[in-house]
Amino acid sequence: GENVEQHPSTLSVQEGDSAVIKCTYSDSASNYFPWYKQELGKRPQLIIDIRSNVGEKKDQRIAVTLNKTAKHFSLHITETQPEDSAVYFCAASGSYQLTFGKGTKLSVIP
Amino acid sequence: GAGVSQSPSNKVTEKGKDVELRCDPISGHTALYWYRQSLGQGLEFLIYFQGNSAPDKSGLPSDRFSAERTGGSVSTLTIQRTQQEDSAVYLCASSLGTQPQHFGDGTRLSIL
Repeated sequence: GENVEQHPSTLSVQEGDSAVIKCTYSDSASNYFPWYKQELGKRPQLIIDIRSNVGEKKDQRIAVTLNKTAKHFSLHITETQPEDSAVYFCAASGSYQLTFGKGTKLSVIP
Repeated sequence: GAGVSQSPSNKVTEKGKDVELRCDPISGHTALYWYRQSLGQGLEFLIYFQGNSAPDKSGLPSDRFSAERTGGSVSTLTIQRTQQEDSAVYLCASSLGTQPQHFGDGTRLSIL
């Protein structure tokens, strides 16, 4: 089955700096890669996703890049703000089942 | 519009008791998923429904776990003879087609 590795597990950045979270996956059949943000005690919320026919996708301060050859994808957050503090999960899917990474706790220091 | 709704939000029960968790998906979403999130961990897939059928039950951790979906809408996840290792947040998601999946707030289950 699919295996998703995510790093770092924790990340602290100064407000205004950029944050990068990286994930690797094992199953070359995976073709859908969402990122979820989960605040403490809240539901995971989809913030951006990318499909395997695209190499990069951007939505305001958030971007995701995908390297199918290397089987890795990354989340980039620019101009970080305190409200970006949360746990971020990457996931990979070839059909319906999402396989998640273990999460990255992002802290943005004002 | 309404998102995925789960109930109860919290459940505390004694070891050995049975529990039932409920998920109300987004209206019109044909696919429904159950995941489990243990403290500080990622989400672990349990089961997937397409309509009322569950083509993939491979993630259910033991035969104490079962799930059903009726009317292509509400789903219940039942855990029989609960054990302490069942303590976790149980998350439900739904989707139109297979992706993207939208999550509910989850049920925090604590087994004493």
